[in-house]
Amino acid sequence: DSGVTQTPKHLITATGQRVTLRCSPRSGDLSVYWYQQSLDQGLQFLIQYYNGEERAKGNILERFSAQQFPDLHSELNLSSLELGDSALYFCASSSSSGSYNEQFFGPGTRLTVL
Amino acid sequence: GQQVMQIPQYQHVQEGEDFTTYCNSSTTLSNIQWYKQRPGGHPVFLIQLVKSGEVKKQKRLTFQFGEAKKNSSLHITATQTTDVGTYFCAGQESRRALTFGSGTRLQVQP
Repeated sequence: DSGVTQTPKHLITATGQRVTLRCSPRSGDLSVYWYQQSLDQGLQFLIQYYNGEERAKGNILERFSAQQFPDLHSELNLSSLELGDSALYFCASSSSSGSYNEQFFGPGTRLTVL
Repeated sequence: GQQVMQIPQYQHVQEGEDFTTYCNSSTTLSNIQWYKQRPGGHPVFLIQLVKSGEVKKQKRLTFQFGEAKKNSSLHITATQTTDVGTYFCAGQESRRALTFGSGTRLQVQP
């Protein structure tokens, strides 16, 4: 158990819909990262927040947005869903924002768009 | 932007054989990390390499960071069925986000 929690575990929805994925980082970790992993693919970095502020942005679509709240939990919002958005979404946390920090991954949310 | 290539994509070995996966970055890295993802699981941190030419060992696993800090390798000696999973390298340029390689899926035949 990494100490990072993600809800829900599974999500099935239809094209055009909007969903929210939630992540609680390890106790004391200020950085939260979101990744997308499509079937048999690597981990695509989406976005990083540090202590409530956006720190780095990867290949995140405009239909996707995220935020980190004062209690440090984070939410990833996916809207106007398409079939290709079906994937495993991982949240990870680390103690700080810069280099040299190992990331602790949550169990992931499996999103299926029908 | 930075790209991290990993080969091979897939390897199937007999238990007891050795296994190596290679990672190459298009840019010089400040550090490289390795993660393992078991089937149906989430990535788990294995190790971080920071210094040019660094070699670190964890039991049967040996990790190397190239002299130019642009490549790395993970070697497993005498594989066991518990080694099954996908191994990812993740390179980091100074103060930038980690870029993960595409991973090497290891299958071990008992």
